[in-house]
Amino acid sequence: DQQVKQNSPSLSVQEGRISILNCDYTNSMFDYFLWYKKYPAEGPTFLISISSIKDKNEDGRFTVFLNKSAKHLSLHIVPSQPGDSAVYFCAASARRDDKIIFGKGTRLHILP
Amino acid sequence: DAGVTQSPTHLIKTRGQHVTLRCSPISGHKSVSWYQQVLGQGPQFIFQYYEKEERGRGNFPDRFSARQFPNYSSELNVNALLLGDSALYLCASSLIARALYGYTFGSGTRLTVV
Repeated sequence: DQQVKQNSPSLSVQEGRISILNCDYTNSMFDYFLWYKKYPAEGPTFLISISSIKDKNEDGRFTVFLNKSAKHLSLHIVPSQPGDSAVYFCAASARRDDKIIFGKGTRLHILP
Repeated sequence: DAGVTQSPTHLIKTRGQHVTLRCSPISGHKSVSWYQQVLGQGPQFIFQYYEKEERGRGNFPDRFSARQFPNYSSELNVNALLLGDSALYLCASSLIARALYGYTFGSGTRLTVV
C-alpha cells in the first residue's frame, strides 16, 4: 500500500523555466510533508518541508504547495538550473512517530 | 563539520551470512534513523533511535535489529541474509526526532547479497 505516490518517473524542463513536481498521498494523518533531492552516490538532501496547517512554504527558488482536500502537494522550482537535475523524493510524516514515508521519486532533467 | 558517516561504503555478502552496518551522526545529533532503498524505490523506514531508545520500527522482519550507543552512533544488524536484502542502506541523523525540520542522510552502504 503506497501512501505517498509520485506518478511521474521522470520530467524534462528547459533551463530557466519552471519545474513542477507533483505528489499525492492517501493518509490524512500525515502532519508534515517534505521534499528531498538525491544525486547519484549520495544520500538524499532535505530541501523544504510544509506543515499540514499551511498551504504554501517558500525557500528561495523552491516553493511547496499543499492542497489537503485533494491530498496533493507540488514542488515548484523557479528558475530551473542545471544543478537541479537529480531525483526528487516526496515524503510525509506523522507527528506520532516521525518516520518518513517516501514516494518512489521523480527524475528531473534540466535541459540546456 | 563532518556530516553523517556510514561504513563500509560497499559490501558483498553471501546468503545466510550476517552483516553489521555502522553510522556516526552529526556531532550533537541525538536521533538516528535507518532506511533501506532498493533499486527504483524510495527509501523505506527500518528503525529510529532517539537518546539510545528505540522510537520506531518499520515493517521489517526480526532478522533486522539495531542499537544506539552512548556516543549516539548506531549499528544496523541483519541476520540470515537473503538476496532481497541487497539494497542501499541509509542512515539519517537529526538533533531531535522531528521530521519537519529534515533529517541529514549519509551517503549509504551499498549491500550486495550473492
